Amino acid sequence: GESVGLHLPTLSVQEGDNSIINCAYSNSASDYFIWYKQESGKGPQFIIDIRSNMDKRQGQRVTVLLNKTVKHLSLQIAATQPGDSAVYFCAEIPSVGANNLFFGTGTRLTVIP
Amino acid sequence: DTAVSQTPKYLVTQMGNDKSIKCEQNLGHDTMYWYKQDSKKFLKIMFSYNNKELIINETVPNRFSPKSPDKAHLNLHINSLELGDSAVYFCASSQDSAVRLQYFGAGTRLSVL
Repeated sequence: GESVGLHLPTLSVQEGDNSIINCAYSNSASDYFIWYKQESGKGPQFIIDIRSNMDKRQGQRVTVLLNKTVKHLSLQIAATQPGDSAVYFCAEIPSVGANNLFFGTGTRLTVIP
Repeated sequence: DTAVSQTPKYLVTQMGNDKSIKCEQNLGHDTMYWYKQDSKKFLKIMFSYNNKELIINETVPNRFSPKSPDKAHLNLHINSLELGDSAVYFCASSQDSAVRLQYFGAGTRLSVL
């Protein structure tokens, strides 16, 4: 079955530093990988996605890297701000045309002012 | 206007009771979902509806029954509540063609005593 997991459950960074959140996956057939951010008391919010045929995708202050050789995904946040404090989930669409997401276990990012 | 709204936000009830959670989206999306998030923040898909038709029904007890009166609404009814049903339940929606981009409600925290 699908397995999307994270290496670290918690991460603390100083404000202004860069953050890197990692995710491992096991399904080679996954079509898309997606990062969601969940702030306290709110639902998850889409941040950025990457298709399985890509290695890198950049957004505003965020970059997602995909290494299919080792089945590893990372989310890099530049110049981390207090508003970035949240739980971050990686998720996958398990195959081309699949109509559901499988979420990983989440990493809590705490930004220290 | 809230894009995906759930009511109630908090629900405290006794074991054995029957309860419902309502969800409405005003985004014009044709697919809606219910997720369960446990105390460790693990987020698991329960149901998915596309244009009022059930398309995903993960391993969920029969006590859980989703109902979609129209494509803007997906309600969740739970019979004979058990202690293990305590969790945060999230409703989400997406366009059928963009499953990876889901919009989540703020969640309903269900506590079964």
